Amino acid sequence: QQQVKQSPQSLIVQKGGISIINCAYENTAFDYFPWYQQFPGKGPALLIAIRPDVSEKKEGRFTISFNKSAKQFSLHIMDSQPGDSATYFCAASIRGSNYKLTFGKGTLLTVNP
Amino acid sequence: DTGVSQDPRHKITKRGQNVTFRCDPISEHNRLYWYRQTLGQGPEFLTYFQNEAQLEKSRLLSDRFSAERPKGSFSTLEIQRTEQGDSAMYLCASSLLELSFNTEAFFGQGTRLTVV
Repeated sequence: QQQVKQSPQSLIVQKGGISIINCAYENTAFDYFPWYQQFPGKGPALLIAIRPDVSEKKEGRFTISFNKSAKQFSLHIMDSQPGDSATYFCAASIRGSNYKLTFGKGTLLTVNP
Repeated sequence: DTGVSQDPRHKITKRGQNVTFRCDPISEHNRLYWYRQTLGQGPEFLTYFQNEAQLEKSRLLSDRFSAERPKGSFSTLEIQRTEQGDSAMYLCASSLLELSFNTEAFFGQGTRLTVV
């Protein structure tokens, strides 16, 4: 049972473009929504996170948009760079069980120079 | 290097053999997690330790799997009688506090297991 659905599976963007990755969830008990970035041969690394009482969070070129009523959240990468090429995972955890992250299947982002 | 360290990085084993992986978390992190990642999938939660206590085990963790954290520092994950379906990347992570907006889990580079 996949509780966090992520799309697209892969994404190709030109340098300087905007990359958008979407996630949807069903469990309304989720209260912590992080995004992880994973390079080949490396473990996932936290990129940015949001909680459900905030509709948007921006850190540098990375922005999370959160729509609680639609149970959707997305990652926007502005001015995408070749160094952003990696696999991105959205995740969620439940209040009281925040040790257990439920990950999406991942999006392989390729930024062409 | 003060990050999460996993050993070995790669392990090839024959079906039916036992394997053991080690994870050294960031020092002073009292929470430790094991995840499994198969090709094309996101990491899946396996188990969680707070200090030396194993507080939850996923249904993915069959009887052939056992994890320990004897002194609340490093942890080991053992798989007995390995099967081809056990082939995956096994990730360890640690955190200082329970995960939240203010506390992140730091992942190691993983141990890639191939069962032939």
